[in-house]
This record gives sequence, C-alpha cells and structure tokens, in this order.
Amino acid sequence: AQSVTQLDSQVPVFEEAPVELRCNYSSSVSVYLFWYVQYPNQGLQLLLKYLSGSTLVKGINGFEAEFNKSQTSFHLRKPSVHISDTAEYFCAAFRSGGYNKLIFGAGTRLAVHP
Amino acid sequence: EAQVTQNPRYLITVTGKKLTVTCSQNMNHEYMSWYRQDPGLGLRQIYYSMNVEVTDKGDVPEGYKVSRKEKRNFPLILESPSPNQTSLYFCASRFWTGGEAGELFFGEGSRLTVL
Repeated sequence: AQSVTQLDSQVPVFEEAPVELRCNYSSSVSVYLFWYVQYPNQGLQLLLKYLSGSTLVKGINGFEAEFNKSQTSFHLRKPSVHISDTAEYFCAAFRSGGYNKLIFGAGTRLAVHP
Repeated sequence: EAQVTQNPRYLITVTGKKLTVTCSQNMNHEYMSWYRQDPGLGLRQIYYSMNVEVTDKGDVPEGYKVSRKEKRNFPLILESPSPNQTSLYFCASRFWTGGEAGELFFGEGSRLTVL
C-alpha cells in the first residue's frame, strides 16, 4: 500500500484563487511530514515540515499545512495563488522506525492560470 | 553558496555502457541519498549513506552501485545501464542528527536516457 498518497495528480486553478493540495499518510510512516516544491527544471526545495507541536504549520511563499491525526492527513493550502506557484508539489514522510528513508508521494502538479 | 552539485545534468547513453553520475555537497552533511523520479511514481530512493564508508539500499537499488569514500562525494554508478533506468535522478544531502528530521537539500537533477 502507498505510504504517502497524494489524492490529485493535477490541480488547475485561476490566479488569486485559494488552493488545497491533499496528502494522506499510512501507519507505515512516521508523523514527521513534509511538503516539497519542484519548479520546472529544478531540484526540490522544502516548503514546510511538521515534526511536533502546533498542527498548523506555516511555510515559505504563503503556504501552510494542517496535520490531522484522526484523518491521517497533511493537506497543503494557500489562500491566494500566483502564476509563479505553478510547480509540482510533493508530500513526504519518514518511514517508521528511523530517519534513513524519506518516502515521497507521487506528486501534484499545480497549474495556475491567469 | 551552499549547494548539491550533480554531473552530468543530461546524458544519453546506450545499453551496457557503464556510467557514473557524480554528486558533491559543500555543506559538510553526513547523510546523502540518491533518488529517481518517474512520472506518476514520485521520487523513489535508490541508495543512501549516513557517513563515510556507510551505505545502504533504498527501495529500488537493483542495477545501481554507490560509494562514499569522502564526506562530500556520493557517486551513483550504473555498471550496465538498461532502458528501464531512463529517468531523472536527484542527489540530496542533510545533516544526520539521528533524532531530528533535518531538511534535505537537493541537486538540480540528472536526466539520463538509455537507448
């Protein structure tokens, strides 16, 4: 079973609209959760991470995510997107039992249209 | 500037011709890792290393080798490439703190095509 599941492969949205990218995790991963962004022809960079504490995590570029233990979810949100947010977004978590292996979801391609 | 550098960025080769993709980081990170990215599959870990001379398999190690003779370098070796190894490869590194999930820094990727 997929350890980290991103529920949408593509999300089209208009500029200045809100967006939510969905991520669910399974019991085979730890609750150290991450969102990474990959701009075209670039490597991945960290948007935000949840390790412990407040379930609402704020990241760079106006993104935030909420950890929901009961729903095993870690959805990423932004209240108003820009054209420059067009990228692929990956949810990730460490495999349970250690910090050796970071498991990635399949990715969600966010396309922001004018 | 702190960075992870991969070379080559693009490579087209033929089946069976050995190749090496180099990876170097200048952040004194203990942990380094290789991933491959394929459409619809996200990133899958090939090998990782927690320090010099310490390496271990990830989820898709078949057909790959690695070595970690120096802290800054972690080359990925394809002894006999096959078409199913056509992919986008990423090297990444971070501090190895053991009890905390440090940020993973990625290189810009190496796009490999095996004919």
